[in-house]
Amino acid sequence: DTAVSQTPKYLVTQMGNDKSIKCEQNLGHDTMYWYKQDSKKFLKIMFSYNNKELIINETVPNRFSPKSPDKAHLNLHINSLELGDSAVYFCASSQAPGLGGQFFGPGTRLTVL
Amino acid sequence: QKEVEQDPGPLSVPEGAIVSLNCTYSNSAFQYFMWYRQYSRKGPELLMYTYSSGNKEDGRFTAQVDKSSKYISLFIRDSQPSDSATYLCAMNPPGANSKLTFGKGITLSVRP
Repeated sequence: DTAVSQTPKYLVTQMGNDKSIKCEQNLGHDTMYWYKQDSKKFLKIMFSYNNKELIINETVPNRFSPKSPDKAHLNLHINSLELGDSAVYFCASSQAPGLGGQFFGPGTRLTVL
Repeated sequence: QKEVEQDPGPLSVPEGAIVSLNCTYSNSAFQYFMWYRQYSRKGPELLMYTYSSGNKEDGRFTAQVDKSSKYISLFIRDSQPSDSATYLCAMNPPGANSKLTFGKGITLSVRP
């Protein structure tokens, strides 16, 4: 059973397009996260939701908008994609906020042409 | 100074070697310490999770935290080719809005 799943696994798109990435966790966790891993493999948090409420909102362009329809799902919508958005985006979840011990999904490799 | 510094590597060792991976940090508020393993083109996998100072052992892996020196380590005994991956340290302070801060990761290669 997959604990944290993401779709799609790969996303190739043109500059200026709008795209969404979906994430689901079946661990019963309350908290979910979006991370960006750049070409140098550095992982940086973007957003965190606890029980559908936004609790962490890092300095990311407002072209990025997360949405949590319920505590098992967290989606990421990106408007007007730019070349610099090319990266691997990881979803993660944890039992509660601030405890660490986060479980990561397999990642979505986004390439903007 | 970066909040979390990790030896950049890469690191190559023969099979069976003992591997020591290290991170230093500057934020004395960090209380939770983790090691993640990331295989190529996969998501990070939680290996070890410790709270505050001390040692924790799980099979061939031992995590060590020294809060007085702001230093954490991961030891891998009897290393195997399947241990070849990137290892990331991560840590966060307590609090609902606290963020996990990652090291840059070190790539380990275990030669058969």
